[in-house]
Amino acid sequence: NAGVTQTPKFQVLKTGQSMTLQCAQDMNHNSMYWYRQDPGMGLRLIYYSASEGTTDKGEVPNGYNVSRLNKREFSLRLESAAPSQTSVYFCASTHLSGMQFFGPGTRLTVL
Amino acid sequence: GEDVEQSLFLSVREGDSSVINCTYTDSSSTYLYWYKQEPGAGLQLLTYIFSNMDMKQDQRLTVLLNKKDKHLSLRIADTQTGDSAIYFCAERSNSGYALNFGKGTSLLVTP
Repeated sequence: NAGVTQTPKFQVLKTGQSMTLQCAQDMNHNSMYWYRQDPGMGLRLIYYSASEGTTDKGEVPNGYNVSRLNKREFSLRLESAAPSQTSVYFCASTHLSGMQFFGPGTRLTVL
Repeated sequence: GEDVEQSLFLSVREGDSSVINCTYTDSSSTYLYWYKQEPGAGLQLLTYIFSNMDMKQDQRLTVLLNKKDKHLSLRIADTQTGDSAIYFCAERSNSGYALNFGKGTSLLVTP
């Protein structure tokens, strides 16, 4: 099992460009999440999907959209990137027990 | 959401015990977790405790939970340089799917 995988690992964008961060899990988990991690801020929830076909906003959803493509995949899209979106993005999925498993992260820089 | 608070830094000598503390405010929390993040990596689930437990031991790790004071601690016995990392406390409440994270405690282990 690969667990939670994310692509790309690194990305540099110019202000106004768009991109999609990909996430997949092979653990048959229902719930999936996108977080961002910024220095001194801990992890903040952007969006989550409690089950296939549903998505909900988290703490900091502005400037992002998500798609739960199927049970395995949950993508995060930045339509018009801004420097404030420079961050490390983590995808996670949750087992029924509540334990949450994280991907290795995508380091995004917006110039 | 409710705040989860941790001290930001802890420095210990190799071989000593480390104690990382966390306080939370959501009394409905059902699960509490400790995650470890090494530089440039994702979050790794270290251990967890259910809210009906007071203590959980797993090799060098001991988790203590004081529900009355909403206080959680992680003790690492015989701390090694490889334990240097950021440690996150997280809670999951009955009402939520996502975890609520503290800002993380940076543990530095010196020889």
